[in-house]
Amino acid sequence: SQQGEEDPQALSIQEGENATMNCSYKTSINNLQWYRQNSGRGLVHLILIRSNEREKHSGRLRVTLDTSKKSSSLLITASRAADTASYFCATPLIFGTGTLLAVQP
Amino acid sequence: EPEVTQTPSHQVTQMGQEVILRCVPISNHLYFYWYRQILGQKVEFLVSFYNNEISEKSEIFDDQFSVERPDGSNFTLKIRSTKLEDSAMYFCASSQFGGGLPGELFFGEGSRLTVL
Repeated sequence: SQQGEEDPQALSIQEGENATMNCSYKTSINNLQWYRQNSGRGLVHLILIRSNEREKHSGRLRVTLDTSKKSSSLLITASRAADTASYFCATPLIFGTGTLLAVQP
Repeated sequence: EPEVTQTPSHQVTQMGQEVILRCVPISNHLYFYWYRQILGQKVEFLVSFYNNEISEKSEIFDDQFSVERPDGSNFTLKIRSTKLEDSAMYFCASSQFGGGLPGELFFGEGSRLTVL
């Protein structure tokens, strides 16, 4: 079954810095999605990238997709304390293990 | 803004009891899903549902579990005889598109199940 594996598992940065999270998956996909989860809350959709796209932007988010390497990355620029959350990739129904991002004010 | 709602937010039950978790998906969505998340662990896919039948299910979704859309608005997950390891947060989600090209999933806030 498809499974995303994110790395790093945890990331701690200072406000204003950029955060990069990576996701690898095993099988072919039609699209890949990134979600965010605040502790104990539901997941919120951030961005969807289709298999024929290589890069996509949404505000401070930048997602890349390399289908030949079966990998994706999520970049959050100019991070804020409010970005503190867990971030998951989904391929597209199966979720990865997540990266816990902590942004220190 | 339309949202997915789940009830109850928290349920405590005794091992062996039956539990029904309820979800009201977004009204014009056609695809429905249940996920679970054991505390501190990943979000695990349980089942997807379309056109009044299960379209996909995971290994976790065994005979203990069932889903139903009893009317035009509710989507339920039933756990027949709960075990301690069923303790988790259960998330319902819905999407407008699905099948081979699922789009954005909209999640509810979850139902926390505690089995004693």
